[in-house]
Amino acid sequence: NAGVMQNPRHLVRRRGQEARLRCSPMKGHSHVYWYRQLPEEGLKFMVYLQKENIIDESGMPKERFSAEFPKEGPSILRIQQVVRGDSAAYFCASSRVVGSGAADTQYFGPGTRLTVL
Amino acid sequence: AQTVTQSQPEMSVQEAETVTLSCTYDTSENNYYLFWYKQPPSRQMILVIRQEAYKQQNATENRFSVNFQKAAKSFSLKISDSQLGDTAMYFCAFTGNQFYFGTGTSLTVIP
Repeated sequence: NAGVMQNPRHLVRRRGQEARLRCSPMKGHSHVYWYRQLPEEGLKFMVYLQKENIIDESGMPKERFSAEFPKEGPSILRIQQVVRGDSAAYFCASSRVVGSGAADTQYFGPGTRLTVL
Repeated sequence: AQTVTQSQPEMSVQEAETVTLSCTYDTSENNYYLFWYKQPPSRQMILVIRQEAYKQQNATENRFSVNFQKAAKSFSLKISDSQLGDTAMYFCAFTGNQFYFGTGTSLTVIP
């Protein structure tokens, strides 16, 4: 059973370009989470998605950032018009749903390191 | 507000000794999960141990165990017989209706 897959592992963009980060959850997992980790800091929650639905985007910056998890294919985190401050590691995690409806343990992908020049 | 606090930014322990990492959290939820994740220099986030809030028994995974005090909202991680490979950042995490990570404790195991 493959783990959470993220690609690319490293992404370099110039200021003003767009960055697209992809995440394929573990087989059988219907929940996807995106986190951002700045250097020497912990993880900050960005967004929580189920298939075709954004459940919680309270951690997502209001502008330039968007996320989707289509019926088919990976989840995409999209950053438009990147700035130097967007340089960070972006981690995706996935989980299944337990009987109570709550999300179960989150398993993390290897992360995408975004560098904005 | 729901928060997770790790009050020890850095810790060190001699190889083969025992170390405890502290974590406190604040929540009004009754049904939630708590986790410890390890992030070695490779930066991969690795699940160490998890605890369901409705279970009173402390979770244990080999050399790793937790001391879960629900009333005090405390969730510490004990690492026994520390090994060099335990050197990493350790993050405490809370998942309920929302998801919070602590700022991490950098643990160094000294040979």
